[in-house]
Amino acid sequence: GAVVSQHPSRVICKSGTSVKIECRSLDFQATTMFWYRQFPKQSLMLMATSNEGSKATYEQGVEKDKFLINHASLTLSTLTVTSAHPEDSSFYICSARDLNEGTQYFGPGTRLLVL
Amino acid sequence: AQSVTQLDSQVPVFEEAPVELRCNYSSSVSVYLFWYVQYPNQGLQLLLKYLSGSTLVKGINGFEAEFNKSQTSFHLRKPSVHISDTAEYFCAVSSRNQGGKLIFGQGTELSVKP
Repeated sequence: GAVVSQHPSRVICKSGTSVKIECRSLDFQATTMFWYRQFPKQSLMLMATSNEGSKATYEQGVEKDKFLINHASLTLSTLTVTSAHPEDSSFYICSARDLNEGTQYFGPGTRLLVL
Repeated sequence: AQSVTQLDSQVPVFEEAPVELRCNYSSSVSVYLFWYVQYPNQGLQLLLKYLSGSTLVKGINGFEAEFNKSQTSFHLRKPSVHISDTAEYFCAVSSRNQGGKLIFGQGTELSVKP
């Protein structure tokens, strides 16, 4: 149980294009999902908290118009990196908080490379 | 505000030796504590968690951790490590009034050598 999937696992795109990353909780419902960014050899940096049916809450310094988050159902949240630039290249990880037990379960991550 | 400090950025150890990865936290409210493991190019996998009750928590892969409130610590231990335990380990804390938001430590790279 407690499986979270992310799609795609890896994406390469040209500068200026937009990229959508999906995060799904496969066997539990999650009213809250989180999006993180991780640079090489570093810890996870929380970007935003995604709440089902409401607007996401962004951490200080994260551009909400750049990183669009939608949480349309209890099992799906999406992160869209708009007009991507090379500095957006990173490892993006989502997590889903189990409604019943409160634990966060993490997806396998998405490696984004912007050329 | 809460914070987490992992005292060792790298821990090299020989196979079958015991290991302890240290984690200290600071918080003004009651906390929940977690240890996650990350293998290269993968997401995080939950090793174990402390929510309440017994302060000695057993997790997967033979790991355990002890919550020590007086020392504000949650050190991770394994009596005998394997090569396959080589990975990055993250300690994290959350509290009920933070909406489930996790605060992560900087991570400890465990390197198990034959």
